Amino acid sequence: DQQVKQNSPSLSVQEGRISILNCDYTNSMFDYFLWYKKYPAEGPTFLISISSIKDKNEDGRFTVFLNKSAKHLSLHIVPSQPGDSAVYFCAAPYLQAGTALIFGKGTTLSVSS
Amino acid sequence: KAGVTQTPRYLIKTRGQQVTLSCSPISGHRSVSWYQQTPGQGLQFLFEYFSETQRNKGNFPGRFSGRQFSNSRSEMNVSTLELGDSALYLCASSSGTRDVGNEQFFGPGTRLTVL
Repeated sequence: DQQVKQNSPSLSVQEGRISILNCDYTNSMFDYFLWYKKYPAEGPTFLISISSIKDKNEDGRFTVFLNKSAKHLSLHIVPSQPGDSAVYFCAAPYLQAGTALIFGKGTTLSVSS
Repeated sequence: KAGVTQTPRYLIKTRGQQVTLSCSPISGHRSVSWYQQTPGQGLQFLFEYFSETQRNKGNFPGRFSGRQFSNSRSEMNVSTLELGDSALYLCASSSGTRDVGNEQFFGPGTRLTVL
């Protein structure tokens, strides 16, 4: 049972435009969500997080929106840059005690110049 | 502050062998989690250790085991290797406090190839 889903395996965007990466979840008990970025041959790096009591969190070019009624979150990157080309993972913490994460399968973003 | 380190970075083994991977967390972090990344399944959680105790476990067979030492360093062991165990194994450390502001920091991973 996949509790965190990223239904788009890939996304292509032109430099300077907006990139929107989507994520759906099934369990309304998740208390926060995170986005990670991963380059080949490296571990994932943390991008931005959002508490389930908020509907928006912004950090520079990155904004995450949370729609609890739809069980949907999205990551907006504005403006997109070629260096943003990577795999983006949406994640939520397991409901048991601890900080381990459930990850979506990732979306590969390609930003062309 | 030094990041999460994993050794070795690359490993080639044959079916039936066993392997031990090592992870050193960020100084001061008490939680270490292990994940397996494969092209088909994405990042899947193996187990989490906090203060030398396994706190969470994912849905993997008993061939996969781990432990954590008093200095928070962690090892994971895979016995009786199968071809399907070929993957990138990632270690992540955190303070261990469950909070939106306390994200996990990942190491570069160990690429295991089983022949």
